[in-house]
Amino acid sequence: DAGVIQSPRHEVTEMGQEVTLRCKPISGHDYLFWYRQTMMRGLELLIYFNNNVPIDDSGMPEDRFSAKMPNASFSTLKIQPSEPRDSAVYFCASGEAGFGNTIYFGEGSWLTVV
Amino acid sequence: GESVGLHLPTLSVQEGDNSIINCAYSNSASDYFIWYKQESGKGPQFIIDIRSNMDKRQGQRVTVLLNKTVKHLSLQIAATQPGDSAVYFCAENTPRNNNDMRFGAGTRLTVKP
Repeated sequence: DAGVIQSPRHEVTEMGQEVTLRCKPISGHDYLFWYRQTMMRGLELLIYFNNNVPIDDSGMPEDRFSAKMPNASFSTLKIQPSEPRDSAVYFCASGEAGFGNTIYFGEGSWLTVV
Repeated sequence: GESVGLHLPTLSVQEGDNSIINCAYSNSASDYFIWYKQESGKGPQFIIDIRSNMDKRQGQRVTVLLNKTVKHLSLQIAATQPGDSAVYFCAENTPRNNNDMRFGAGTRLTVKP
């Protein structure tokens, strides 16, 4: 299996622009997670889905952030409008259903907003 | 102005020595724990896991110890190698939260040749 695939790997954008990050989970995994990693706050859970349905989005920082999972093999995290403080590494992870199953991370999308 | 960020605990060991990385978890109801390794520029990688009905689990060169009494988890790496240099995170999961993993701040391990 190719693992969790994220794109883009790196993005530099100007403040105010829309940013869309994409994720393809591991085939057969029922759970998909979006995390954000910064020096200030470490690794934070933003939102996660079970069977394409958002379960907990309490970690989403503001209304500027939105996430969708239109099907089992694709998810997006969108920031509109982007701000410099959104600069971070955004990780997507997926896992199998059931408590006690580990989750597997993608390589991350490195976002810089200038 | 000075930037403020997470002050990661650091551990520096000599190549060939054993390493012990510690983690204090927060939720006494947590029932499943995982150690992840994150190398520079990469995503966290699964190393080893343990459930709360165990107090020790061994893998290849790694051992995880769980002390539920004091909510403490440790990762032991035998014969540490330069390739083990990374940030190590412990993560906890409670049954109520299904697959929602909560991560600690991490510990940076540096292996000196």
